[in-house]
Amino acid sequence: EPEVTQTPSHQVTQMGQEVILRCVPISNHLYFYWYRQILGQKVEFLVSFYNNEISEKSEIFDDQFSVERPDGSNFTLKIRSTKLEDSAMYFCASSEPDRGAIDEQYFGPGTRLTVT
Amino acid sequence: AQTVTQSQPEMSVQEAETVTLSCTYDTSESDYYLFWYKQPPSRQMILVIRQEAYKQQNATENRFSVNFQKAAKSFSLKISDSQLGDAAMYFCAYNNAGNMLTFGGGTRLMVKP
Repeated sequence: EPEVTQTPSHQVTQMGQEVILRCVPISNHLYFYWYRQILGQKVEFLVSFYNNEISEKSEIFDDQFSVERPDGSNFTLKIRSTKLEDSAMYFCASSEPDRGAIDEQYFGPGTRLTVT
Repeated sequence: AQTVTQSQPEMSVQEAETVTLSCTYDTSESDYYLFWYKQPPSRQMILVIRQEAYKQQNATENRFSVNFQKAAKSFSLKISDSQLGDAAMYFCAYNNAGNMLTFGGGTRLMVKP
């Protein structure tokens, strides 16, 4: 069964450094998403991406964040200058909505980001 | 803005018994979708069941079923014949066709052998 993959599984970085989290969505999916989950808290939406542009973003997704689909398979989340409070689990998801319906969002296994 | 509330931070159930997890939501929309996701210790998010708001019939998936009360904005998950592998965090989530999933705070389910 096709699945969303994410690399790395765990990333440790120093405050102020740039990080890039990578995702490979399911190949025929059209919508891509990033969510984050701070330890012990709820899962929060960051951004959705369709047709090579951001379709929706939350207030968390400020100028420090950016997303890109650099080729036909990868979808990346970049954090330009990491802060301690960026430490969280970051989930990538993808979906292929049917016409007039909301399709399931398939989640990757997550990348645990630790900022020291 | 839509909100999703799970009032039970923790629940426990005896193996083979039935447990119900509660979820309420707030929305002014009439057409939307509701989901239950399971998050085991591996932290991967796995879809358990989904419900379209326009459907009156409650969704079922094997041992999992929902009680969807649209007027009350309630969407509870019933797990029958609980198994040890059901132990996980369960998140209720809402989507009104805007692509963004809004999650509740989660309920940790423990299954006692």
